[in-house]
Amino acid sequence: DQQVKQNSPSLSVQEGRISILNCDYTNSMFDYFLWYKKYPAEGPTFLISISSIKDKNEDGRFTVFLNKSAKHLSLHIVPSQPGDSAVYFCAARPNFGNEKLTFGTGTRLTIIP
Amino acid sequence: DAGVTQSPTHLIKTRGQQVTLRCSPKSGHDTVSWYQQALGQGPQFIFQYYEEEERQRGNFPDRFSGHQFPNYSSELNVNALLLGDSALYLCASSRQGNTEAFFGQGTRLTVV
Repeated sequence: DQQVKQNSPSLSVQEGRISILNCDYTNSMFDYFLWYKKYPAEGPTFLISISSIKDKNEDGRFTVFLNKSAKHLSLHIVPSQPGDSAVYFCAARPNFGNEKLTFGTGTRLTIIP
Repeated sequence: DAGVTQSPTHLIKTRGQQVTLRCSPKSGHDTVSWYQQALGQGPQFIFQYYEEEERQRGNFPDRFSGHQFPNYSSELNVNALLLGDSALYLCASSRQGNTEAFFGQGTRLTVV
């Protein structure tokens, strides 16, 4: 049972344009959502997070949107840069303590120069 | 400030053998979690250690065990290795409370 789903295994975007990565979840207990970026041979690097009390969180070129009623979140990267080419993982957990993270299967983003 | 460090980076073991992977958490962090990432999949939670005790466990068999030391570092042990245990093993550290987890670079385990 995949509780966090990233239905697009890959995405290609022209440099300078907007990249939109999507994530859906099924577990109503999830209250805190994170995006991680992973390069080959490296561990995941934390990018941005959002609590369910918000519907938007912005950090520089990265913005995460949360639609709790639809159980959907998205990561917007604008403008996209070649260094953004990586695998992006959506993760979720209940918003208390140090509960485990449940990850999606990832989306490979390729930025075309 | 060193981040999360894991050793070794790569390891090849034979089916049936035992393996120990090590993790040092980020400075100031007291909680260590272990994840297994199979090829083409997202990381899957194995277990979490806090105050030298296993606090949470994912859906992994008892062949997977761990330990946390007083300095917060941690070990992951896998007994009776199977070919399907081949994966990237990730350690993540955090502080108790509502904080983000920081990951190490992982240990690539290959079972032959």
